[in-house]
Amino acid sequence: QKEVEQNSGPLSVPEGAIASLNCTYSDRGSQSFFWYRQYSGKSPELIMSIYSNGDKEDGRFTAQLNKASQYVSLLIRDSQPSDSATYLCAVNPPSGGQNFVFGPGTRLSVLP
Amino acid sequence: KAGVTQTPRYLIKTRGQQVTLSCSPISGHRSVSWYQQTPGQGLQFLFEYFSETQRNKGNFPGRFSGRQFSNSRSEMNVSTLELGDSALYLCASSLVETGSGEQYFGPGTRLTVT
Repeated sequence: QKEVEQNSGPLSVPEGAIASLNCTYSDRGSQSFFWYRQYSGKSPELIMSIYSNGDKEDGRFTAQLNKASQYVSLLIRDSQPSDSATYLCAVNPPSGGQNFVFGPGTRLSVLP
Repeated sequence: KAGVTQTPRYLIKTRGQQVTLSCSPISGHRSVSWYQQTPGQGLQFLFEYFSETQRNKGNFPGRFSGRQFSNSRSEMNVSTLELGDSALYLCASSLVETGSGEQYFGPGTRLTVT
């Protein structure tokens, strides 16, 4: 069974700090990885996609991928209270098409 | 460009009834996937449609079905509703036609079964 695991949190960080969110996946053949942010009562919003080993930066967000360790992470620099949300890691198995497997999400709380 | 739209946004049904939910993808997107989100199980994949064909199917009973029209709009149907079907049903569309790519979610339909 394909699985994606995340620490459920809550993860609390002070405003301005770096928040580090982690994700591991079981299907070694997976090639596509995504981070979504979900505010309470809202639908998931795409933050980052990453397909190759290494780092990918977009503004205050950096995604890191290590396929050998089956590990994906998301760093949020200069965290703001508005970043407080649940962060979902998604992996698309190599079955063709779009059938993402989501982790349970990590709840992030940024304290003013 | 308009985002993914879903109707209705909220729905209350009784056990045993059936329900149809609708999704309009982002213009130009031909892949539409459906997910169920519950507090206990999280986000789970239901099925994906591409060019009016079901391309992938998750591990849900046959009471859950879907279809896609020639304009890429999609519907999902749940028959013989059970209390456990109460959930947020999310539709996501993608521009990618083969391989894997980014999916964008609609606002969801909140279904309550009483």
